[in-house]
Formats: sequence, structure tokens, C-alpha cells
Amino acid sequence: AQSVAQPEDQVNVAEGNPLTVKCTYSVSGNPYLFWYVQYPNRGLQFLLKYITGDNLVKGSYGFEAEFNKSQTSFHLKKPSALVSDSALYFCAVRDGDTGGFKTIFGAGTRLFVKA
Amino acid sequence: GAVVSQHPSWVICKSGTSVKIECRSLDFQATTMFWYRQFPKQSLMLMATSNEGSKATYEQGVEKDKFLINHASLTLSTLTVTSAHPEDSSFYICSARYRAPPYEQYFGPGTRLTVT
Repeated sequence: AQSVAQPEDQVNVAEGNPLTVKCTYSVSGNPYLFWYVQYPNRGLQFLLKYITGDNLVKGSYGFEAEFNKSQTSFHLKKPSALVSDSALYFCAVRDGDTGGFKTIFGAGTRLFVKA
Repeated sequence: GAVVSQHPSWVICKSGTSVKIECRSLDFQATTMFWYRQFPKQSLMLMATSNEGSKATYEQGVEKDKFLINHASLTLSTLTVTSAHPEDSSFYICSARYRAPPYEQYFGPGTRLTVT
């Protein structure tokens, strides 16, 4: 079975500082990993994904994430946070070996960027 | 890019009535669509997987007779909440999976259901 853990309910960062939102996963096959952002009363916006290739994945709005197979982690990072980055962030995983039948989401981490 | 739409974007209904939510893939064909439910300040919980031309597969704990799913074409899946109750009030999000590898999944904007 697949599972995703986002250990932090909330992350607080000052504007201009680097941010990290943590994610660990469990999947029996090859992991397809995703980060999404959600603003209030809106659907999900895709940020980035890891399917294969380089462990460091660059995505939208200056975000990046590093796939670490040994630690089963896929932490989201940004070198310099903006107030507009404040939102709810979801990590998600699919089992790539099953053709991606289900995407399972983490509980979400709320990011607050203070000016 | 691939676009998934949902209709309506929000709906208010009275307890005991039924509500239908549509999910459409606008510019691609999706053999599989997924329905998620999200309570305030919580994560997305997968409710069911909808396959074109066959019965939906429901996750454990989801009442299939209450949440009727129909995937009649490669671009349309519908979720009908039957005999709605206030506890069914939630944000419902669908996603459509592209039919070819790597099976990209695209999300709709969500439908806010409020049952009074």
C-alpha cells in the first residue's frame, strides 16, 4: 500500500528566507512523486513531479524538490520565500509500477510566509 | 496544457435531495477519473476510481449507493450525491488520468457542496 507523511502541520518562514516542506513516502514499486499547492477554496495546482532521472527536480514558481531514495523523502524547497507562497502544500505519491492507478495525498502542510 | 473542468463550482441543496457533479477532461481522453473529497483544513481523500464503460471502484468506507459514479464517455464522469445530508457538505475534487504513459493526472478546480 502507498502512504505519504507530511510531518509538519504548519511551517512558518520569514520572507526572503529559504523554506523546506518535508515529505516522506512509502510505496512498493517505483515512486512517482508530486507536489501540489492549494489556495483557499481552489483546486490543486501542480508544482513539480519526480518520475525518473535527476534527483533534483525544478518546478513552478521557483520551487524544487529532491528525491532521496534511501531516506524515502521528497522535500519541497525554495531558496527565497515570498509572502504569496503562503498556501497549503500537498505531497502525493503514485505507484509507478501499477500504471499510476491511485494518487495518495499527504495530510498537507500549511505554509505561512511573514513579511 | 490539459484542462479538467467541474460543474458546478459550488452548489447549495436541501437535505434529502440529490446533487450531480460533472467532471470533464476538455482536451484529452481519460479512461480513468478519480473523485476526491476534502474536508476543511484536511487532505484529499480518494473516494473512488471511475473507469470508462465499467463500474467504479470505491475506497473502503465510501458508500457506493450514496455516491453514484458514472463514467459514460472518455471525457465525462459524474458524481451524484444521493439523499444528501449536512455531513456530506464538503469540497469535491475530480481528476482525470491521461490514457497513455506516464499517465499524467490532472485535477479539476473542485466543487463546494453545502447541504442545508
